[in-house]
Amino acid sequence: KNEVEQSPQNLTAQEGEFITINCSYSVGISALHWLQQHPGGGIVSLFMLSSGKKKHGRLIATINIQEKHSSLHITASHPRDSAVYICAVSVIYFGNEKLTFGTGTRLTIIP
Amino acid sequence: EAEVAQSPRYKITEKSQAVAFWCDPISGHATLYWYRQILGQGPELLVQFQDESVVDDSQLPKDRFSAERLKGVDSTLKIQPAELGDSAMYLCASSLRATSGVQYFGPGTRLTVT
Repeated sequence: KNEVEQSPQNLTAQEGEFITINCSYSVGISALHWLQQHPGGGIVSLFMLSSGKKKHGRLIATINIQEKHSSLHITASHPRDSAVYICAVSVIYFGNEKLTFGTGTRLTIIP
Repeated sequence: EAEVAQSPRYKITEKSQAVAFWCDPISGHATLYWYRQILGQGPELLVQFQDESVVDDSQLPKDRFSAERLKGVDSTLKIQPAELGDSAMYLCASSLRATSGVQYFGPGTRLTVT
């Protein structure tokens, strides 16, 4: 079983819909990251959070440490939001931080 | 805005050949990471540098892969000989320090081994 599980693997929605992507993890973490990867490969960090909720524009990320679960929400989705969204967790061991990544959720927004 | 630079962006090579990738992290970033991402999967750490020292290379296939960061700035990842299973995206990332949280990723090098 992977340490980081994402759902769904693929998501197709109409422009304007409210999007939710889920991430569950099985280890103790220092932080959780949401990342965006566009076709062509480049990865951009969207959020790093260790508790509660963060908002940036139309994106909202929440985390429940007790339940080891996080969600990424996109309001008023737009075709330019089409990308792969990756959840990753930070674990610190021996003074070193390591990221473990989920397999990603491929989001397609249809105009 | 400062970015992580990688070259080449794309590389096609025949199996058994040698291939090398280059990464220039954001200036001042002490920690540099090389990841491999197979299509449909998340990135997997190959090697992590703190300045010029390797701090984690536990997942690096050392019989064919090598990495160096001689002056603690830019880095090179080499594969020799390349195998068909090495076809993947190779991503470089950097961060201010090993526990600073946010990593900044380069555009990646897509390797195809034929």
